[in-house]
Amino acid sequence: ETGVTQTPRHLVMGMTNKKSLKCEQHLGHNAMYWYKQSAKKPLELMFVYSLEERVENNSVPSRFSPECPNSSHLFLHLHTLQPEDSALYLCASSPIAGGTDTQYFGPGTRLTVL
Amino acid sequence: GENVEQHPSTLSVQEGDSAVIKCTYSDSASNYFPWYKQELGKRPQLIIDIRSNVGEKKDQRIAVTLNKTAKHFSLHITETQPEDSAVYFCAASYGGATNKLIFGTGTLLAVQP
Repeated sequence: ETGVTQTPRHLVMGMTNKKSLKCEQHLGHNAMYWYKQSAKKPLELMFVYSLEERVENNSVPSRFSPECPNSSHLFLHLHTLQPEDSALYLCASSPIAGGTDTQYFGPGTRLTVL
Repeated sequence: GENVEQHPSTLSVQEGDSAVIKCTYSDSASNYFPWYKQELGKRPQLIIDIRSNVGEKKDQRIAVTLNKTAKHFSLHITETQPEDSAVYFCAASYGGATNKLIFGTGTLLAVQP
């Protein structure tokens, strides 16, 4: 399945590193999302972009910085992360922004912060 | 607040039996309820969804029921097969400044052959 792709699939970084996660959707959708998935916790919505404009920032620490240069690409820039930030980061897209449209997920990036 | 409760957290059934997973939500304005299946190491994938203008929807062995009055909805899988083993997530739409999906904590379904 190639509708929503994410790179890298796995990432190990130290607390002082700077890295970026990339998401690309090939579905012609106008909305893109970042979610955090931790063990035994519900999927946590981090950011929502609609037509390249951020429409939701769910009280995410500033060490996570999203970027949406166009409606097909979404980045999550990471810096000075903490071990508790280790999780699976999922990107998703939908035709329009909001909770009433089907969201299609990417395979995720498994992040480990040492 | 924005909350979706999902039960049970784990469910083990024999192949061929039925499985039922239940979710409750708190916002009476919620109008979209998708269910996602996530196999180990894979992405969540939509398996069925229901909108608030209907009470039940079926797709082969999978069905979802919605009780708006009680604010709960359920996933029913009949004639379970080993390949149904996965984590299942429910979600509900929430309004406010920005509509968004709030997810349940997931149910790990194990179908024993």
